[in-house]
Amino acid sequence: AQSVSQHNHHVILSEAASLELGCNYSYGGTVNLFWYVQYPGQHLQLLLKYFSGDPLVKGIKGFEAEFIKSKFSFNLRKPSVQWSDTAEYFCAVNAPGTGFQKLVFGTGTRLLVSP
Amino acid sequence: DAGITQSPRYKITETGRQVTLMCHQTWSHSYMFWYRQDLGHGLRLIYYSAAADITDKGEVPDGYVVSRSKTENFPLTLESATRSQTSVYFCASSDNQIPGYEQYFGPGTRLTVT
Repeated sequence: AQSVSQHNHHVILSEAASLELGCNYSYGGTVNLFWYVQYPGQHLQLLLKYFSGDPLVKGIKGFEAEFIKSKFSFNLRKPSVQWSDTAEYFCAVNAPGTGFQKLVFGTGTRLLVSP
Repeated sequence: DAGITQSPRYKITETGRQVTLMCHQTWSHSYMFWYRQDLGHGLRLIYYSAAADITDKGEVPDGYVVSRSKTENFPLTLESATRSQTSVYFCASSDNQIPGYEQYFGPGTRLTVT
């Protein structure tokens, strides 16, 4: 079965610091990869996704992620975080074994950005 | 463009009661999903549906029932609520026409079982 690992459960940064959140998945075949963000009290919103093409994906609000197939990784990055980036971040994957319809989520990383 | 809505947004119920959470989407997406979100577990899939009258179990289906008589609605029923079902419930939808099959999420229902 597929699984997604997010190794950082809690991250605390100061404004303007750089961010990298790790995500590793277990499936060996073709996958689609996603990063969702959940701001306090809100629903999940898509930050970015990879499904084909350039493995360096740019998303909203200055976020980017790099798909490294050989490492089964899809790490999220932002060069300079803002207080408004305080949120919970979820990595997710779907794959042909699920018909690409079902998403498997990591357990999430809570980011706190101090002003 | 209403998107995907859930009701109620907050619900308190007692152990043993039946409660139904509603989900409605206006995009005519073929797929709909129910997740529960609990601290330390992320989001776990309860049930999903590929089309009207087609439903299937996810990772944590016990104690839940779903139906889908219309494409746009996907209610989730807790037949006899238990305290372990206290959680935040998210509905989502998707479609084969969406690149990557990303899912769109509703605002959530916070359910407390006392």
